[in-house]
Amino acid sequence: DGGITQSPKYLFRKEGQNVTLSCEQNLNHDAMYWYRQDPGQGLRLIYYSQIVNDFQKGDIAEGYSVSREKKESFPLTVTSAQKNPTAFYLCASSTVGTRSNQPQHFGDGTRLSIL
Amino acid sequence: DQQVKQNSPSLSVQEGRISILNCDYTNSMFDYFLWYKKYPAEGPTFLISISSIKDKNEDGRFTVFLNKSAKHLSLHIVPSQPGDSAVYFCAASGYSSASKIIFGSGTRLSIRP
Repeated sequence: DGGITQSPKYLFRKEGQNVTLSCEQNLNHDAMYWYRQDPGQGLRLIYYSQIVNDFQKGDIAEGYSVSREKKESFPLTVTSAQKNPTAFYLCASSTVGTRSNQPQHFGDGTRLSIL
Repeated sequence: DQQVKQNSPSLSVQEGRISILNCDYTNSMFDYFLWYKKYPAEGPTFLISISSIKDKNEDGRFTVFLNKSAKHLSLHIVPSQPGDSAVYFCAASGYSSASKIIFGSGTRLSIRP
């Protein structure tokens, strides 16, 4: 079955440590996205990529980095510069048309906590 | 500044009745609207969408209504079923390949027997 796989489901980070969240899709989608969800808030866009080897900052990119070396993969690194990394992270993908409003398909998320 | 607002954090509806979830937006450039449904510990799943050229879109038990002049949209679920208990996110985007999808904060719907 086609879909988006995020791993791990739960992740713990020590202070000052970088961690990388994995996101893989086999939907042949060009666009991929990373969102962060905090309690009582909507999904906030961290980074997105519409094509391999290219990505753009979203609304809350500070303290995060991404790469898009393959169409299927869009890993997110939470760096030590991110002072409040505890959150639920969601990866999504979509096709890209003349409009960017194609419905996104989401993974099941990674919950990151600070030790 | 929240561009997409869901002012009701929660809603409880009796099974079999109609559930109405509301969403307001502030950006008049938005022209495409989506609803997503999310169960705990899972990612959101796309439910239904509507373009600004329409004022209603229906898919089975789900209907979305758009009132552009009021910058308001609503999702109607009828009849409500126990499996509809979830968090519902409203989202909006503009007409541009560079447009991002902006999500509301969600409404938790609980269907009681």
